[in-house]
Amino acid sequence: EDQVTQSPEALRLQEGESSSLNCSYTVSGLRGLFWYRQDPGKGPEFLFTLYSAGEEKEKERLKATLTKKESFLHITAPKPEDSATYLCAVKATDNAGGTSYGKLTFGQGTILTVHP
Amino acid sequence: DVKVTQSSRYLVKRTGEKVFLECVQDMDHENMFWYRQDPGLGLRLIYFSYDVKMKEKGDIPEGYSVSREKKERFSLILESASTNQTSMYLCASRAHRDGYTFGSGTRLTVV
Repeated sequence: EDQVTQSPEALRLQEGESSSLNCSYTVSGLRGLFWYRQDPGKGPEFLFTLYSAGEEKEKERLKATLTKKESFLHITAPKPEDSATYLCAVKATDNAGGTSYGKLTFGQGTILTVHP
Repeated sequence: DVKVTQSSRYLVKRTGEKVFLECVQDMDHENMFWYRQDPGLGLRLIYFSYDVKMKEKGDIPEGYSVSREKKERFSLILESASTNQTSMYLCASRAHRDGYTFGSGTRLTVV
């Protein structure tokens, strides 16, 4: 069974205080790892897709990295508007080795609060 | 940009009612999904569809059914609503190899 675990559950930072969120995963065959941002009362918003170990993606103050067991979302000099829940998800192969129609398995998320 | 529209932001229904949640996407995506999101449990897949009239059960299909008569529309049906189905419901669609695009969500309360 595919599993995704995110840590910490909640993270409080001061504005400008850089940190990282962790996403550990166990899948039969990784076809992609996804990061989303979710604001209260809204649907998740796509941030990044990573496909292979060693890959990195950046967007403004966010940088996502991937190893064979985990992914990190690094936040550099965060601002209060970065406050949100960050979700990690994996897409795995099915039992026959194909892509399982794009089903994603999500972690429970990390609630990030950035204080001014 | 892809747009996924869920028909209602908030719904309040009574126990035993039949409830329809509608989702429409405007980018001709083949794959569409229904998730529910609950505190402490994250997003859990209810049903998904990979083509018109095609559907597959997700991880928690009990008490739900779906309908996909047209490619752009994917409906989630609660046959007889119960209080344990109070939740945030999220619809998503996906093009090949891409991540999901989510709708804004429907917060359903069953009383």
